[in-house]
Amino acid sequence: DIQMTQSPASLSASLGETVTIECRASEDIYNGLAWYQQKPGKSPQLLIYNANSLHTGVPSRFSGSGSGTQYSLKINSLQSEDVASYFCQQYYDYPTFGGGTKLELK
Amino acid sequence: EVKLVESGGGLVQPGRSLKLSCAASGFSFNDYWMGWVRQAPGKGLEWIGEINQDSSTINYTPSLKDKFTISRDNAQNTLYLQMSKLGSEDTAIYYCARVGGATFDYWGQGVMVTVSS
Repeated sequence: DIQMTQSPASLSASLGETVTIECRASEDIYNGLAWYQQKPGKSPQLLIYNANSLHTGVPSRFSGSGSGTQYSLKINSLQSEDVASYFCQQYYDYPTFGGGTKLELK
Repeated sequence: EVKLVESGGGLVQPGRSLKLSCAASGFSFNDYWMGWVRQAPGKGLEWIGEINQDSSTINYTPSLKDKFTISRDNAQNTLYLQMSKLGSEDTAIYYCARVGGATFDYWGQGVMVTVSS
């Protein structure tokens, strides 16, 4: 199975700051990557698919990039409502998730 | 509006079975693959498996394929997860999700399953 290594595990940032979360796959996943946001006590919500496509209704301050085994999620101009955990997921093979990044406000 | 509502969770003794349901609305259920994902308390997400539109293809994560069975009833717009031989390691929130473009584009609110004597 394809292992997904996400970093950092936790992150503290200020309002208005730009934040980047990384995800590394154990083999090439050919852009078969999604990012999800999970707010406390809620279910995950799709943000990004195909590594860089924004899901319907997701604010444009979220963006995804990468290729091969290295991918990243960027949040521009951090807002208070962005406090959440973020997970990457590959779907090139049967789905596996990264361990998650918990984003808090500084 | 896409809506997925899980039910059937609760406290179950080790070694017993439990069946979860997921009622879907707001979209054409029989046009989509559907899946199950779980999350142990304070932990990350684990894909359980998925089922195609006519139930002819069902995929499972290898470690769970002998314990869990996914099925669906398109007439009732309902997805199911039959779980057997439950152990403490199966304690988790169980989510059903719609598979859209190979990703999970909509999720239910989740249902808690606690395995304990």
